[in-house]
Amino acid sequence: QTVVTQEPSLTVSPGGTVTLTCASSTGAVTSSYYPNWFQQKPGQAPRALIYSTTYKHSWTPARFSGSLLGGKAALTLSGVQPEDEAEYYCLLYYGGTWVFGGGTKLTVL
Amino acid sequence: EVQVVESGGGLVQPGGSLRLSCAASGFTFSSYSMNWVRQAPGKGLEWVSYISSSSTTIYYADSVKGRFTISRDNAKNSLSLQMNSLRAEDTAVYYCTRVGLGAYHFDYWGQGTLVTVSS
Repeated sequence: QTVVTQEPSLTVSPGGTVTLTCASSTGAVTSSYYPNWFQQKPGQAPRALIYSTTYKHSWTPARFSGSLLGGKAALTLSGVQPEDEAEYYCLLYYGGTWVFGGGTKLTVL
Repeated sequence: EVQVVESGGGLVQPGGSLRLSCAASGFTFSSYSMNWVRQAPGKGLEWVSYISSSSTTIYYADSVKGRFTISRDNAKNSLSLQMNSLRAEDTAVYYCTRVGLGAYHFDYWGQGTLVTVSS
């Protein structure tokens, strides 16, 4: 069974920079896994942020960026705002199935 | 404005059945693949099922294979999920999501519908 692993929790100060990562139990994550990133706040549906590793949706704030880093997919938030406190999920494609990571709870403190 | 709105959730006994629906608007439904994703209370997201725009390609997560059936009616801009042999572990909020053009990404999500499997 394929497992996608994210940091369970991270803390960042307002205005700071933080990087969340997404690893696959099958090996290095590449662009062929089409990494997606989603933000979910309590009581709300997830909101798409990044797709195909680096591409932003029209509504994605400029401070969010996606990349590949050390064999993992990565989501970097630069100039973190208090409203960025949320759960973040990555999603990887495995040729006919998709697997979400367990989520990273980001605290802005 | 792109919208997807789920309905049909509720309380069902173990072993029972339920049919979820998703009404789509604001885009050409017949051009887009669609998904169902679920989230158990207090837990993370789990992909459930995928259907291509013309229903020619369908995928299921192993956890629901043989019990759930995804379908769509492009004339009615509607997506469905027939859930049979329901188990307690199927309790979750079920989200309808659109697959963006070029595939492999879920762009628009509904607000979800809660399915509770309990006696």
